[in-house]
Parts: sequence; structure tokens; C-alpha cells
Amino acid sequence: GEDVEQSLFLSVREGDSSVINCTYTDSSSTYLYWYKQEPGAGLQLLTYIFSNMDMKQDQRLTVLLNKKDKHLSLRIADTQTGDSAIYFCAETLNTGKLIFGQGTTLQVKP
Amino acid sequence: NAGVTQTPKFQVLKTGQSMTLQCAQDMNHEYMSWYRQDPGMGLRLIHYSVGAGITDQGEVPNGYNVSRSTTEDFPLRLLSAAPSQTSVYFCASSYSTISGARSFGKLFFGSGTQLSVL
Repeated sequence: GEDVEQSLFLSVREGDSSVINCTYTDSSSTYLYWYKQEPGAGLQLLTYIFSNMDMKQDQRLTVLLNKKDKHLSLRIADTQTGDSAIYFCAETLNTGKLIFGQGTTLQVKP
Repeated sequence: NAGVTQTPKFQVLKTGQSMTLQCAQDMNHEYMSWYRQDPGMGLRLIHYSVGAGITDQGEVPNGYNVSRSTTEDFPLRLLSAAPSQTSVYFCASSYSTISGARSFGKLFFGSGTQLSVL
């Protein structure tokens, strides 16, 4: 079926690395995306990865993709209090839909 | 630089009332969509459109209608509001309508409408 799974909550200390995980089901997904939602706002695209890549780095963000296990992760290095938000992974389906996970709430403690 | 504009920001309805959530974008995007966000359930697709005159159902379409008479506007209609429709609603648009294209998943979101149905 069409399902994207994420753990609901992650708490880290400021300066530590955060790793947010996601599993998806559609092996034909071409691109996978990470979005960030700050309180009271809509989602904003953070980064994305093409399905034939294993890793993509963008400043403090590293995306890892394991196609065999259908596992996607987002690593945030040197996590700051401003990184506190809800993070969503999303995959595109061949049916023309973009499906989101439940979202992981990242809490950064000073 | 308006982007995606949603109105209203907040709305309280009584069970059985109808209303329309407005969404407009000024980026000439062909793809537009409506999602609802509920705690622990993430975002669920209600309806989407790949161009003027073309709409299709998402994961949770029951109780909602949409139309797309222009490229810019994509209103969502609640026909007879129910408490189960209490949620935050987001409109989002994208340049591409091709699901295999990189830009397809690059959605631009509105700021949301918080709807309570009593």
C-alpha cells in the first residue's frame, strides 16, 4: 500500500547531531523529499534526493537513502534551537500523488 | 511575492453548515492540491488538480468538493460540515504535473486554515 512511516518524536541537545528516519513503500518513487514545518506555518521544502543517489549533503543537512530497505534519513549536524520543528518525509507515487509521513517533532534542548 | 494565499486563517462552523476555503497562487503553477493535517497522522491528500478543468481525488475526499476554473484558484468546499472535519487545511502548488519530475514534489504551501466544527 501507499504508506510513509516516521517516528513521532525526537529530542536532542543543542550542538548534537539529529537523525530523523523514514520508511517508504513505493520502490518506483523517483524523488524523495524532506519538509520542515515551524509552529503555525505551512511546510517548506528542505531538501530532496534522487532515487539513484545514496547520499546528498547540503550544508548541515545530510540525506541518506537505502533503496533496498526503502529507508530514508535526514541528519542535521550541530543542531540549533532554531531547528526545533516538525520534519516530514514525502514520496511521489506513479499515480501522481505526493504522500507524506506523519511527521517527526524535533525538540532541541539548550 | 505572494506565493500561495489561503483564506480564512481561522474558521468556526456548526455541524451541517457549508463553507468554502479559498486558495490562490500567483506562480502560474499547473499542479494544486489540498491537504488536511491532524495530530499523529501527518498530511493527507484530499483533492488535487493538474490544470484548469481537471481535478481528482486524493486519500480522503469524502465530504469535500473542489473545482479549478482558472490556473490561479483552487477552492475547497465543505458541503455539510462534521466534527470529524476539524483540522488544519493546507493548499499547496507545484510547477510540474509529472510525478517523475524533480519539481513535482517541490510544493509551495499556504499558511493554512484552522477549522473547528462544533
